Amino acid sequence: QSVLTQPPSASGTPGQRVTISCSGSSSNIGKYTANWYQQFPGTAPKLLIYSNNQRPSGVPDRFSVSKSGTSASLAISGLQSEDEADYYCAAWDDSLNGPVFGGGTKLTVL
Amino acid sequence: QVQLQESGPGLVKPSGTLSLTCAVSGGSISSNNWWIWVRQPPGKGLEWIGEIYHSGTTNYNPSLKSRVTISVDKSKNQMSLKLTSVTAADTAVYYCARPFAGAAFDIWGQGTMVTVSS
Repeated sequence: QSVLTQPPSASGTPGQRVTISCSGSSSNIGKYTANWYQQFPGTAPKLLIYSNNQRPSGVPDRFSVSKSGTSASLAISGLQSEDEADYYCAAWDDSLNGPVFGGGTKLTVL
Repeated sequence: QVQLQESGPGLVKPSGTLSLTCAVSGGSISSNNWWIWVRQPPGKGLEWIGEIYHSGTTNYNPSLKSRVTISVDKSKNQMSLKLTSVTAADTAVYYCARPFAGAAFDIWGQGTMVTVSS
């Protein structure tokens, strides 16, 4: 049971805009920024977005995040087939005194 | 470019000790504040195991704290993970990673699969 709650699946067609939600609490997302990771099968997670819409080099600006209270969302615009992957949210948690993760959302591009 | 490489036995017997190493290349383990271990059971999400400061200060997930030890070997530029009294629930891919801000980890090892089975 993950501390952060994500929908297990999401889908969209090429070119569409898709959002993935991440629900937490006042001890994590309510207080800290949510970070997002992209993971392809058999590979390590890759940092996608951190610290209020900052993207590591090479991550396209089609990926963006928003936050409201204790929830955060990842938006992917202009969906492409290469975006098909698992997406995880993560945030620091004061109760744990460590990072917590969502259970992951499998994104399917139809 | 800093790279991380996990290594260790892929099979551990129940009640045994899981021991993994994370080698740092392209940089010094002393150049960053913290280094972490994260695991991912097959088909499941990510779980933080713990972290270590290059000075040796540690911080563990309370759910694993009684069984976990993370250490740093500066002479070998690596860190290690030991998890005792393992059960099938500890079967997972184990990753080491470098945090640079809170829960933002920018560099990951490729991961190593550890199976707990007799």
